[in-house]
Amino acid sequence: GAVVSQHPSWVICKSGTSVKIECRSLDFQATTMFWYRQFPKQSLMLMATSNEGSKATYEQGVEKDKFLINHASLTLSTLTVTSAHPEDSSFYICSARSINGNSPLHFGNGTRLTVT
Amino acid sequence: SQELEQSPQSLIVQEGKNLTINCTSSKTLYGLYWYKQKYGEGLIFLMMLQKGGEEKSHEKITAKLDEKKQQSSLHITASQPSHAGIYLCGADFGGGSNYKLTFGKGTLLTVNP
Repeated sequence: GAVVSQHPSWVICKSGTSVKIECRSLDFQATTMFWYRQFPKQSLMLMATSNEGSKATYEQGVEKDKFLINHASLTLSTLTVTSAHPEDSSFYICSARSINGNSPLHFGNGTRLTVT
Repeated sequence: SQELEQSPQSLIVQEGKNLTINCTSSKTLYGLYWYKQKYGEGLIFLMMLQKGGEEKSHEKITAKLDEKKQQSSLHITASQPSHAGIYLCGADFGGGSNYKLTFGKGTLLTVNP
């Protein structure tokens, strides 16, 4: 089955620093990847849609300069949380859909970010 | 208001019992997706429904989408502790090739041995 790898699985950083999270589709190509954020005991909130070779589309209320998204290839998208603050602490999950056929979204295992 | 409502929010059942989780949309769906999540982990794809009246089964889990394509149910037969987790329905409201999913708040299922 389709596999999406997310790295790192957890990270702790200090306020003011930046953190990069990678999302890779291992056995398929994905022109579109999605970045979600999940707060404890809550649902997934879509942050942005990442398109290969073009700028990401951000959801309302998500700061573009805060959450930098780069979709460098058909198998890799990165999310960089810039100048992180404690309120950015959350669980971030990426997902990808194969360019071939009518297929569901496949999700990475998520990244637990803690900003101290 | 929430576009996608899931019920119940949480459910505790005895092993061997059947259970149903519902997902109701305020708008017509192009597609409805069911996922399972363990706390702090990624989502595992269960089933995808796209046609009105469609029903799919995998092992002991059956999912249905109503004819109007606004409501879906997930039914687990003879539940086991391995079924425990958070069940999320995700809706495709757009229908385009670059679709995104909007998720319900999830149902936390506990199965007591």
